[in-house]
Amino acid sequence: EAEVAQSPRYKITEKSQAVAFWCDPISGHATLYWYRQILGQGPELLVQFQDESVVDDSQLPKDRFSAERLKGVDSTLKIQPAELGDSAMYLCASSLSGSLAYEQYFGPGTRLTVT
Amino acid sequence: GQQVMQIPQYQHVQEGEDFTTYCNSSTTLSNIQWYKQRPGGHPVFLIQLVKSGEVKKQKRLTFQFGEAKKNSSLHITATQTTDVGTYFCAGKDSWGKLQFGAGTQVVVTP
Repeated sequence: EAEVAQSPRYKITEKSQAVAFWCDPISGHATLYWYRQILGQGPELLVQFQDESVVDDSQLPKDRFSAERLKGVDSTLKIQPAELGDSAMYLCASSLSGSLAYEQYFGPGTRLTVT
Repeated sequence: GQQVMQIPQYQHVQEGEDFTTYCNSSTTLSNIQWYKQRPGGHPVFLIQLVKSGEVKKQKRLTFQFGEAKKNSSLHITATQTTDVGTYFCAGKDSWGKLQFGAGTQVVVTP
């Protein structure tokens, strides 16, 4: 069964350093999502792509976070500089289409710890 | 903005018992999805409800969408240890924005 791939699975970084996460969605999925999940809370949408275009980044802290999906396939989420409050699970999800409310398939996530 | 709230936040259930978790939105939803996240895992899609008053069943799980499309519920009968995890609802508003609730963490005692 096709899965969403993410790497790394775990990342420990010092504050003020740069960190990057990678996501490879299920083949053929046009919509890609990046979420942040703090322990004990639900996933919070950071950015949504439709193919290579950003359709929603209203919750992305743009002073330090950036995301790209240059060829409309895999995607990278970057944080620079990292802050202690960025410690969380970063989840990537994909779906066939965002507009028709298809189910989202989540990857295993990247657990970020900022020290 | 839209807010999706889930209650209870935590549910301790004896194996074999039934329980219900509720999801309430501050705005009318176009649809609602439910996900389950096992401890240490990632959210996995369970079901989507679209129509007002819709009821769907998956074995021991019954999902309902309210008549006003502002609330939903998940009822689990005869709880098993495999039901352990956190259940999230995610509501999509008329602008297409999907928001997850904080989840109901379910612990099952054998």
